[in-house]
Amino acid sequence: DQQVKQNSPSLSVQEGRISILNCDYTNSMFDYFLWYKKYPAEGPTFLISISSIKDKNEDGRFTVFLNKSAKHLSLHIVPSQPGDSAVYFCAASAGGGADGLTFGKGTHLIIQP
Amino acid sequence: SAVISQKPSRDICQRGTSLTIQCQVDSQVTMMFWYRQQPGQSLTLIATANQGSEATYESGFVIDKFPISRPNLTFSTLTVSNMSPEDSSIYLCSVRDLRGEKLFFGSGTQLSVL
Repeated sequence: DQQVKQNSPSLSVQEGRISILNCDYTNSMFDYFLWYKKYPAEGPTFLISISSIKDKNEDGRFTVFLNKSAKHLSLHIVPSQPGDSAVYFCAASAGGGADGLTFGKGTHLIIQP
Repeated sequence: SAVISQKPSRDICQRGTSLTIQCQVDSQVTMMFWYRQQPGQSLTLIATANQGSEATYESGFVIDKFPISRPNLTFSTLTVSNMSPEDSSIYLCSVRDLRGEKLFFGSGTQLSVL
């Protein structure tokens, strides 16, 4: 039973536009959420996180929104750049930290020139 | 951030053999984590390796299949034993940051079992 779901295996966005990656979760105990980016033949790298006490966190071109009532979070990338083409993983934990992270299956973002 | 060196980066192995994956961190850490990503699947935690004690395995993973060593605070190995094609995956080593708020990952080992 997938507790963290990324329902779009892939997403294609034009360069300069906004990329929106979505993630849903089922475990109401999750209170800390992270996004990771992964290039081929590399390990995942941390992008941005959000605690359940917030509904938005921003870092440069990356913004994560959390809707606790809907058990949904999204990652917005504005503007999208060619280097953003990668697989993006959503992850969640209960307990406010990186212990026991549960990952989604990932969304492959392709930025079109 | 932590720098994690993992090797081999990839290997192709025969069914029934074993492969040991090495993970070296550039700083001392209490816990090291081993993850697996099967094709098209999410990252799944295999076990947590603590220095000086037995590794803690997640449900569905056993020590006989995935023995782990943790001889010091900067190094760990994961062995995939008696391999079958179902073990074909990316295996990743990771550590937490000092505040425990995120994981850093090694570059992974792409394992293919024929």
